[in-house]
Amino acid sequence: GNSVTQMEGPVTLSEEAFLTINCTYTATGYPSLFWYVQYPGEGLQLLLKATKADDKGSNKGFEATYRKETTSFHLEKGSVQVSDSAVYFCALSDTGSARQLTFGSGTQLTVLP
Amino acid sequence: EAGVAQSPRYKIIEKRQSVAFWCNPISGHATLYWYQQILGQGPKLLIQFQNNGVVDDSQLPKDRFSAERLKGVDSTLKIQPAKLEDSAVYLCASSPRLGERGDEQFFGPGTRLTVL
Repeated sequence: GNSVTQMEGPVTLSEEAFLTINCTYTATGYPSLFWYVQYPGEGLQLLLKATKADDKGSNKGFEATYRKETTSFHLEKGSVQVSDSAVYFCALSDTGSARQLTFGSGTQLTVLP
Repeated sequence: EAGVAQSPRYKIIEKRQSVAFWCNPISGHATLYWYQQILGQGPKLLIQFQNNGVVDDSQLPKDRFSAERLKGVDSTLKIQPAKLEDSAVYLCASSPRLGERGDEQFFGPGTRLTVL
């Protein structure tokens, strides 16, 4: 079956540091890949996505590239801010008609001023 | 555009009691999902509706959980009777269509259930 493995947290960084959160997946076919973010007290919201190999998703300074050869979709940001403190979830959407999401376990990021 | 609404936001019950959660998806969204998110884990799909029909309920513990989507709009998830291991956040999500590659799911704020 489908699965997503995420870098374990929590991750604590100083403001303006570089961020990488690793994500690898197992799936049949060619899934779509997503990063969702959950800010304190809020619901999950889509951060970025990529639907085919070598696509790069980007939003709010975050980027992730769909790497089919390494089955990875690592999240990066060049300079984090305190407001980026949240839980980040990597997810995949299967290739069947239902397009169900399979989530990783989440990575808690805390950015200190 | 209004987002996905869920109520209540918090619920505390004793084991063996019953509880129900309500979800109102974004207007016009055909597909509705219920997820269970246990502390420290990612959300796990419980059931998926397309309009008022069930697409997938293979991970729903049907001996105690039930869900319905009235007239293809609002949905209710019920647990009867609750167990300690049901303590979790229950998330509702909706998306415009079924089967579109890369379609985003829009999530509600969730209902945090504590079973004592």
